[in-house]
Amino acid sequence: GENVEQHPSTLSVQEGDSAVIKCTYSDSASNYFPWYKQELGKGPQLIIDIRSNVGEKKDQRIAVTLNKTAKHFSLHITETQPEDSAVYFCAAGSGSYGNNRLAFGKGNQVVVIP
Amino acid sequence: GAGVSQSPSNKVTEKGKDVELRCDPISGHTALYWYRQSLGQGLEFLIYFQGNSAPDKSGLPSDRFSAERTGGSVSTLTIQRTQQEDSAVYLCASSPGHSNEQFFGPGTRLTVL
Repeated sequence: GENVEQHPSTLSVQEGDSAVIKCTYSDSASNYFPWYKQELGKGPQLIIDIRSNVGEKKDQRIAVTLNKTAKHFSLHITETQPEDSAVYFCAAGSGSYGNNRLAFGKGNQVVVIP
Repeated sequence: GAGVSQSPSNKVTEKGKDVELRCDPISGHTALYWYRQSLGQGLEFLIYFQGNSAPDKSGLPSDRFSAERTGGSVSTLTIQRTQQEDSAVYLCASSPGHSNEQFFGPGTRLTVL
């Protein structure tokens, strides 16, 4: 099955700087790559996603890039703010199981220092 | 509109007891997923529903775990004879049938003593 790895596990950045989280996946059939933000005591919130026919997608301060050849994708957060502090999860889905079940990385704790 | 809701938010039980966890998906979403999140870990897929059918149960860790969905809406995850290793946050997500996007509920934190 799909194996998603996420690095680094913890990332501290100064407010206003950029944060980058990288993920790798193993299954070349994966074609859908969402990113979730999880705040303490809450469920994961979908913040951005990308499909395999696109190399990059932006939404305001957030962007995701995908390199299918290398099987890795990254989340970029620019002009970080304290409210960006959370755990971020990457995931991959392929529809190979007859549904869109997702394989998740272990999460990345982002701390934005005011 | 209303998002995915789950109840209870917290459940503490004794080893060997049965528990039921409930998920109310977003209205109109035909697909429903259960995941489990252990401390410091990513989410682990458990089961997928399309309508009331569960064509993919491959993530259920043992036969103590079961789930059902009725009326194409509410789903219940049941864990029988709970063990300490069942302690985790159980998350439910729903999705429109035509989309990959999954929207998660707040989860149920299960603690087995």
